Amino acid sequence: GENVGLHLPTLSVQEGDNSIINCAYSNSASDYFIWYKQESGKGPQFIIDIRSNMDKRQGQRVTVLLNKTVKHLSLQIAATQPGDSAVYFCAENIIGGADGLTFGKGTHLIIQP
Amino acid sequence: KAGVTQTPRYLIKTRGQQVTLSCSPISGHRSVSWYQQTPGQGLQFLFEYFSETQRNKGNFPGRFSGRQFSNSRSEMNVSTLELGDSALYLCASSLERSAMNTEAFFGQGTRLTVV
Repeated sequence: GENVGLHLPTLSVQEGDNSIINCAYSNSASDYFIWYKQESGKGPQFIIDIRSNMDKRQGQRVTVLLNKTVKHLSLQIAATQPGDSAVYFCAENIIGGADGLTFGKGTHLIIQP
Repeated sequence: KAGVTQTPRYLIKTRGQQVTLSCSPISGHRSVSWYQQTPGQGLQFLFEYFSETQRNKGNFPGRFSGRQFSNSRSEMNVSTLELGDSALYLCASSLERSAMNTEAFFGQGTRLTVV
């Protein structure tokens, strides 16, 4: 896949368990954060976003938590399914958008049957 | 509603050649951003176009260029190809400029291999 060769953190979870994927972002001025899922051979797919005026946002089976104090973002996936296997990226957008989206290196989530 | 369409899906070019990639954004979206994805560097921002004007540019050499047409379709061009340009090139479409913190939707990408 696209990330072969890049040493990605790997998270292996049992099907049905909850997953927590973490991301440390770099710029304290960033005010918009997004989680993307990328399956092999496909482009990144939007999962959920959060603005800096929020600490938590929930979607369907997913929750994003934002801790601005320590510049940390997490994605929680409830009751993981085989289809959740993918590489997950966090992205930040800097106020003014001078640099577009800045992506983290990604985490490879593996679902064990 | 059709998604973001990138053509071609796969491309093989020789060092020194030039290449043009195409992106059709979601209907009604006015911003198109381009990203390069490689195993070594991950996803990196190339540039963003909005209303036919380049708004932002990442840290890439001048060999990488692009344009946007009045129908919001965008092309990116890489001249004098190098082996290191082999990558997945992704296009993202959004309603407004990225500075507006608007949701971006990605295409499936063009896999460019330089030999």
